[in-house]
Amino acid sequence: DAGVTQSPTHLIKTRGQQVTLRCSPKSGHDTVSWYQQALGQGPQFIFQYYEEEERQRGNFPDRFSGHQFPNYSSELNVNALLLGDSALYLCASSLEVAGGLTEAFFGQGTRLTVV
Amino acid sequence: GDSVTQMEGPVTLSEEAFLTINCTYTATGYPSLFWYVQYPGEGLQLLLKATKADDKGSNKGFEATYRKETTSFHLEKGSVQVSDSAVYFCAWGRRNTPLVFGKGTRLSVIA
Repeated sequence: DAGVTQSPTHLIKTRGQQVTLRCSPKSGHDTVSWYQQALGQGPQFIFQYYEEEERQRGNFPDRFSGHQFPNYSSELNVNALLLGDSALYLCASSLEVAGGLTEAFFGQGTRLTVV
Repeated sequence: GDSVTQMEGPVTLSEEAFLTINCTYTATGYPSLFWYVQYPGEGLQLLLKATKADDKGSNKGFEATYRKETTSFHLEKGSVQVSDSAVYFCAWGRRNTPLVFGKGTRLSVIA
């Protein structure tokens, strides 16, 4: 079982550019959540995708958008990058079951640096 | 509002010392409680969890007890090792809601 895989592991972008981060969930999982972890902080919830739709969203601007594909993989897009977007972006997957979601498994993260 | 408060680090201990990392939470109802660990350069790994009051989660020598009356979930280990050096995150969550994390506590264990 490959677990949750994210790509790329690191990238550097310039202010104003756009970036796309990718996540493949753990085998058998159908729900993907994205978190932003700034340096020295805990992860902050960005949004969650289920059945190819955004189901919940945290307190992040519209510059942050996402997508989920039929194979449950997901992308996180950030437009008009700001220096403050520099962070570790974590993807977590879980399975929708009767009564809610199973435990979340996290990927290794993508370290984004905006210069 | 909903939150998690952890003791600030860094915490530096000698090998075989006793570890306590305090965690308190603010949430309505009866959330599940978690401790995640993040090793350098890696993502989060679930260390242990407890889903109801008075439950004790345990793994790899670490323990934490869900205390509803004090809204706490303190992490303990009787004898730390150098390999335990990492950042530890306390979190709460419910089914169908995202996890709420604390800011993390960095632990350094010295041989």
